[in-house]
Amino acid sequence: DTGVSQDPRHKITKRGQNVTFRCDPISEHNRLYWYRQTLGQGPEFLTYFQNEAQLEKSRLLSDRFSAERPKGSFSTLEIQRTEQGDSAMYLCASSSGTAYNEQFFGPGTRLTVL
Amino acid sequence: AQKITQTQPGMFVQEKEAVTLDCTYDTSDPSYGLFWYKQPSSGEMIFLIYQGSYDQQNATEGRYSLNFQKARKSANLVISASQLGDSAMYFCAMRPYNFNKFYFGSGTKLNVKP
Repeated sequence: DTGVSQDPRHKITKRGQNVTFRCDPISEHNRLYWYRQTLGQGPEFLTYFQNEAQLEKSRLLSDRFSAERPKGSFSTLEIQRTEQGDSAMYLCASSSGTAYNEQFFGPGTRLTVL
Repeated sequence: AQKITQTQPGMFVQEKEAVTLDCTYDTSDPSYGLFWYKQPSSGEMIFLIYQGSYDQQNATEGRYSLNFQKARKSANLVISASQLGDSAMYFCAMRPYNFNKFYFGSGTKLNVKP
C-alpha cells in the first residue's frame, strides 16, 4: 500500500524561474488537495480537485500559480516567476468517500527561492 | 467564517504523563468534522484522530482521545502516557460539510521530557 508521494522533495531555485511539483495520490482517492505551509504555521489551503475537476481555489493562489489533474490521478502545481515569498513547504493530500474522511498527506516539497 | 485556534504555541510534558492540547473552532456549518494531525520534524503530516459534529461519544484511538465540547466549540486532544516519540507539532483541523477544504490551526509544539 503506497501513500501519497510528492516529487521533488526539495527544490532550490532563483527568483524569476518557473517550478513544477508533482503529487501522486493514493490510487483510489478521488479528492486531491494542495496546501502551503510556512515555518511555524499550519497548512493553508491552495486548491482542491475532485477527480479531474478543479473545484476550488484559494485567494492565495495568485495568477502565477496553476494546478492541474489531467486524468484524475496525479496532479501538478506550477509556480511561474517565483518570488522569495513563495519559499515554503508545499503539501499534497488525498482523500476519498465522504466529507468526513481524513486526508492523507504526502511528505511535501520544500521550495527555497533565492 | 471558519477558524481554528490553538492558543498554546509550545507545551512540555514529562514522559509517561498525560497532556492536553487545546483547540477551539468557529464555523457556521452545523455539520463538520474535527481532526488532529501530528507533524514530526521530518515534515510529514500524520493523521491521529477524528470527531464528527454529531458523534455522541468522544473519539478515542489508542493513547489519543478527543475531548469534544460542542457547546464550547472545543476539541482538545488528550495524549495519555506520553512517550519521547510524541515530541512533534500537533495541528487541529476542521472540515465543514459544505466546504471542500480543511482549516488548520497554527499548531502546538509538544516536547516530551525524559
